[in-house]
Amino acid sequence: AQTVTQSQPEMSVQEAETVTLSCTYDTSESDYYLFWYKQPPSRQMILVIRQEAYKQQNATENRFSVNFQKAAKSFSLKISDSQLGDAAMYFCAYRSGTQGGSEKLVFGKGTKLTVNP
Amino acid sequence: NAGVMQNPRHLVRRRGQEARLRCSPMKGHSHVYWYRQLPEEGLKFMVYLQKENIIDESGMPKERFSAEFPKEGPSILRIQQVVRGDSAAYFCASSPRGREGRGYTFGSGTRLTVV
Repeated sequence: AQTVTQSQPEMSVQEAETVTLSCTYDTSESDYYLFWYKQPPSRQMILVIRQEAYKQQNATENRFSVNFQKAAKSFSLKISDSQLGDAAMYFCAYRSGTQGGSEKLVFGKGTKLTVNP
Repeated sequence: NAGVMQNPRHLVRRRGQEARLRCSPMKGHSHVYWYRQLPEEGLKFMVYLQKENIIDESGMPKERFSAEFPKEGPSILRIQQVVRGDSAAYFCASSPRGREGRGYTFGSGTRLTVV
């Protein structure tokens, strides 16, 4: 079974600075998707960024980018120019891309990000 | 497009009562997923449904929990004879079809409190 590990329960960053959130995963599959979700206090799960395992290029979405290291099974999230609105829980998630594989998302336990003014 | 709608947002039940959680997927989405989030935890998969079919219920507790997604109307997650350990946030997500690598759209969740 696939597992996702987020080793940093809490992180903090100064406004306008850069922060990196760590995520590692374990799988025997070669085809899969990885995601970062943001959960603010409103509880809404918001998709931040996604990465297809077959793509070598790291995904970017404005101030958010990932460092995808397939061999190391690592998928870290970098937030540049941090803003107060970035404060939230961040969850890393895995989904199988294998035909006949599971449809479900497997989540890590999350990292609570605090942004200090 | 109204997004994934869950209701109620908050639900309080006494031990032994039944809880019914509703989820209306995004327009055009025929696949629904239910997840449970315990305090200080990530989301855990419960069940995956298509219209009138349960596709994967590997995450559902064997007793007291059931889910349906009828041809008409919302998807329902039903918890019978609730216990304190059922207190959690329950999230619904939907996608237009399976094998969707974009990641599906989540609702805002229902927070169930059992007293």
